Amino acid sequence: AQSVTQLGSHVSVSEGALVLLRCNYSSSVPPYLFWYVQYPNQGLQLLLKYTSAATLVKGINGFEAEFKKSETSFHLTKPSAHMSDAAEYFCAVTLNQGGKLIFGQGTELSVKP
Amino acid sequence: EPEVTQTPSHQVTQMGQEVILRCVPISNHLYFYWYRQILGQKVEFLVSFYNNEISEKSEIFDDQFSVERPDGSNFTLKIRSTKLEDSAMYFCASTPWQGEAFFGQGTRLTVV
Repeated sequence: AQSVTQLGSHVSVSEGALVLLRCNYSSSVPPYLFWYVQYPNQGLQLLLKYTSAATLVKGINGFEAEFKKSETSFHLTKPSAHMSDAAEYFCAVTLNQGGKLIFGQGTELSVKP
Repeated sequence: EPEVTQTPSHQVTQMGQEVILRCVPISNHLYFYWYRQILGQKVEFLVSFYNNEISEKSEIFDDQFSVERPDGSNFTLKIRSTKLEDSAMYFCASTPWQGEAFFGQGTRLTVV
């Protein structure tokens, strides 16, 4: 069965600092992996996705994530945090495109001035 | 840019009442989903719908829940007799044949 673990329910960084949100997955077959962002009182917006092409995936708003099969990880990074990055971030996995998404618990990112 | 739209944004209902949550998926998409997020918890899969039938459902999706695509554009989730524990944010999503899921803004259901 697939599962996703996000380490750290709450991450706080200073504006301009590196953002690192951790995601580890469990899957019996090569997965498709996604990061979604949820701003307050809004829906889920796709940040980026891994679909077995390049292992380093670039997304919107300067975010990127690297698929590491040996570590079963798909951590999300951004070199320099902006205040507008404050939101909840969800890592998700599916076995096939069009299949159901299994979500992690989410990580709330706070950005301090 | 095409988007998934959900109505209403907020629904308050009394325990035991029926509710219908409505969604208009993106028009050329083929797969449709409902997810829910109980306050403070993770987003959970409820059901997927393809080719006018349920393709997969979770253990949460019991006999109290049903989905319909009545007219080729709307996609609805019905809860027959709401319980307090049904209070959650409900998200509709759709995907094309290949690609990521696009989510609506959600309907916050409050059962009192």
